Amino acid sequence: ETGVTQSPTHLIKTRGQQVTLRCSSQSGHNTVSWYQQALGQGPQFIFQYYREEENGRGNFPPRFSGLQFPNYSSELNVNALELDDSALYLCASSLAGQNYGYTFGSGTRLTVV
Amino acid sequence: QQQVKQSPQSLIVQKGGIPIINCAYENTAFDYFPWYQQFPGKGPALLIAIRPDVSEKKEGRFTISFNKSAKQFSLHIMDSQPGDSATYFCAASKGNTGNQFYFGTGTSLTVIP
Repeated sequence: ETGVTQSPTHLIKTRGQQVTLRCSSQSGHNTVSWYQQALGQGPQFIFQYYREEENGRGNFPPRFSGLQFPNYSSELNVNALELDDSALYLCASSLAGQNYGYTFGSGTRLTVV
Repeated sequence: QQQVKQSPQSLIVQKGGIPIINCAYENTAFDYFPWYQQFPGKGPALLIAIRPDVSEKKEGRFTISFNKSAKQFSLHIMDSQPGDSATYFCAASKGNTGNQFYFGTGTSLTVIP
């Protein structure tokens, strides 16, 4: 059984650019959630995807968007990057209807300069 | 508005001590309360979790105490070891939807040998 894998592990982008982060869910999981973790803070919910559709969204602007693919992998896209977008972006997979068994990946560290 | 409040921000204990981390919540709809452990450069890993129908849960050296009337829960680490040095997050979610988790701000624990 494989865990949640995220790529890339680190990324540096310039303000105003766009970025795509990728996540492969744990085997058997069909739901993917994305979180933003600023330095020294707890993770903040961005959104969740189930059956390739957004299934809940936190307090993030529309320039944060996502996709889920038929194999349950997912992408997080951020447009018009701002300095405050610098953070660790975490992907978590789970089974729909279960709030236990939530498995996080190691994250992508995004730095916006 | 912080849905889950966590304290202390940091904690230093001697090896063998019993660090206690506290969390409080307001939303009575929350029905699942996990604790996560996070090492530098890694994603959060589920440590132990509790539902509000029990007041205490033990798994190995880790114990959650839950006070439903006070809307508080805490993590106790028995016989703490230097390897327990990490950041600990409490979290809460509502319903069996597996949707949004609300995280505390984290407690940085250092166990001195």
